[in-house]
Amino acid sequence: QVQLVQSGAEVKKPGASVKVSCKASGYTFTSYAMHWVRQAPGQRLEWMGWINAANGNTKYSQKFQGRVTITWDTSASTAYMELSSLRSEDTAVYYCARGVLGYGSGIYYYYYMDVWGKGTTVTVSS
Amino acid sequence: EIVLTQSPGTLSLSPGERATLSCRASQSASSSYLAWYQQKPGQAPRLLIYAAASRATGIPDRFSGSGSGTDFTLTISRLEPEDSAVYYCQQYGSPWTFGQGTKVEIK
Repeated sequence: QVQLVQSGAEVKKPGASVKVSCKASGYTFTSYAMHWVRQAPGQRLEWMGWINAANGNTKYSQKFQGRVTITWDTSASTAYMELSSLRSEDTAVYYCARGVLGYGSGIYYYYYMDVWGKGTTVTVSS
Repeated sequence: EIVLTQSPGTLSLSPGERATLSCRASQSASSSYLAWYQQKPGQAPRLLIYAAASRATGIPDRFSGSGSGTDFTLTISRLEPEDSAVYYCQQYGSPWTFGQGTKVEIK
């Protein structure tokens, strides 16, 4: 069955970086995008960005532009999200989520998120 | 950026009752680009509805979505105890945005 398995919880100091992995199985990795979404305690879900696993193109939320990098390793069917210059407000659960792709006339279309990982807790504390 | 506002904040109903959840967009959102998710405590969100009205695989038919333009609705026709959760609407565009959620409590 389709699964997204995320790396384990992290505790980081302010100013550090964190890199979270998301290993996909049960489907053709390069036929979908991978989104990253976070949820701070008691807050709504917040989209961070996506990577098109077919071609490596990325798009980031303006809020995280310059601090977030999403990469992928197709041979390992794994996507990664790195967030730098961490601050206490970055304490949250970080989810990867498979993004449905459409393709036509040479253009990709990016749709909803249909399968989610269980989440990785990142705590930023001095 | 499209801002999504959900109402009510909390809905407290009995099993078998009908739940109606609202999601209003700050500007017209293509109905092809509106989804609903269910999130239970300590769990990841689960896709319920996409393209405003299409049920995701394995979702019971008591869940239905409707709406267009700026007003969208998720209806749970006959509440079951396991429907207790927070429900989020999402528009998928650039950027992807989520509503603040509606908590459904089963009495």
